[in-house]
Amino acid sequence: DIQMTQSPSAMSASVGDRVTITCRASQGISNYLAWFQQKPGKVPKRLIYAASSLQSGVPSRFSGSGSGTEFTLTISSLQPEDFATYYCLQHNSYPPTFGPGTKVDIK
Amino acid sequence: EVQLVESGGGLVQPGGSLRLSCAASGFNFNSYWMHWVRQAPGKGLVWVSRINSDGSTTTYADSVKGRFTISRDNAKNTLYLEMNSLRAEDTAVYYCASQGLAPGDYWGQGTLVTVSS
Repeated sequence: DIQMTQSPSAMSASVGDRVTITCRASQGISNYLAWFQQKPGKVPKRLIYAASSLQSGVPSRFSGSGSGTEFTLTISSLQPEDFATYYCLQHNSYPPTFGPGTKVDIK
Repeated sequence: EVQLVESGGGLVQPGGSLRLSCAASGFNFNSYWMHWVRQAPGKGLVWVSRINSDGSTTTYADSVKGRFTISRDNAKNTLYLEMNSLRAEDTAVYYCASQGLAPGDYWGQGTLVTVSS
């Protein structure tokens, strides 16, 4: 199975900050990588697919990059509604595997 | 409007069985692969199973293989997860999710399965 790691596991940030979350795969996954946001008690929401394609309706402050084994999710200017946990998901090979999550909270 | 509505969760004793359902509407269900994903209380997301659009191909996480069965009825726009020999570690919110361009286009609201005596 492909293992996914995320860093940091948690972070504190302020409104307006630029936030970068990294996801690494234990082997190459091309661009079969998606990013999800989950708020407490809520359903996950996909932000990015194919590593860098923005899901329809998602604000442009979210962006994704990377290919192969290293990927990043960037929030260009953190907004109050962005405080949440973020997960990456590889679906290059089965089983699909999620990263452990990165919790972004208020500094 | 796309909707995925899960049902069938509840409290079950270890070794027991449950069948989850996921009713789909607002999209062409029979063209989409579908997945089950679970989340134990306070933990991360874990993929459980997937089924292709016509139901001919299924895949499972090792942790549920041989105990869980995914299926679908395209005439009823419904996805199922039959869960047998349930264990305490199967306790989680179970989500169904569609796959268009990638897994997780749309998600249901989740249904809680609690395995406890």
